Amino acid sequence: GQNIDQPTEMTATEGAIVQINCTYQTSGFNGLFWYQQHAGEAPTFLSYNVLDGLEEKGRFSSFLSRSKGYSYLLLKELQMKDSASYLCAVRDSNYQLIWGAGTKLIIKP
Amino acid sequence: ETGVTQTPRHLVMGMTNKKSLKCEQHLGHNAMYWYKQSAKKPLELMFVYSLEERVENNSVPSRFSPECPNSSHLFLHLHTLQPEDSALYLCASSQVEGDSSYEQYFGPGTRLTVT
Repeated sequence: GQNIDQPTEMTATEGAIVQINCTYQTSGFNGLFWYQQHAGEAPTFLSYNVLDGLEEKGRFSSFLSRSKGYSYLLLKELQMKDSASYLCAVRDSNYQLIWGAGTKLIIKP
Repeated sequence: ETGVTQTPRHLVMGMTNKKSLKCEQHLGHNAMYWYKQSAKKPLELMFVYSLEERVENNSVPSRFSPECPNSSHLFLHLHTLQPEDSALYLCASSQVEGDSSYEQYFGPGTRLTVT
């Protein structure tokens, strides 16, 4: 079967750095997405990785290792507004998105 | 209006009611999606309309019926629902070109409660 694993919840301190991991087992791979979802709101696109390596976008970076079936989202200089759920999704060989259950990130002052 | 809009934002319905959820995308995309989001569970893809072709998830009960009259509008018709159908229903759209599809843009969702 297809599976995406990410931690259920993480806590970090304002101004710090946090890494949210995602491991996947899917039938084929055609890219990995990270989305942010604030409570009661729509998920919004953060990043896309299809090749191995690091993609940097401001305070957020996403890393992919296809051989290990592994990705992480790195958030730097954490702000209170970064408190949200972070969803990992993999596009499989049929170009369908397989979603993880999301990681709830709690930022404390 | 910009992006993806959904109405209503909240819906409470009895098990014998019939209701419809509406989604509209203003992004010029050619694919639209219905997702179910339950607490602490992965997003569950229910239906996809892509390049005017409907792709459905076979595990979706027949009490959910989608309709896509054109590339900008998507409906989800609901009838004789069960309490376990209570969830957030999200609509999304994306651009599909050949075998490639770009990131999906989501609407704010409809919070459905079945009593």
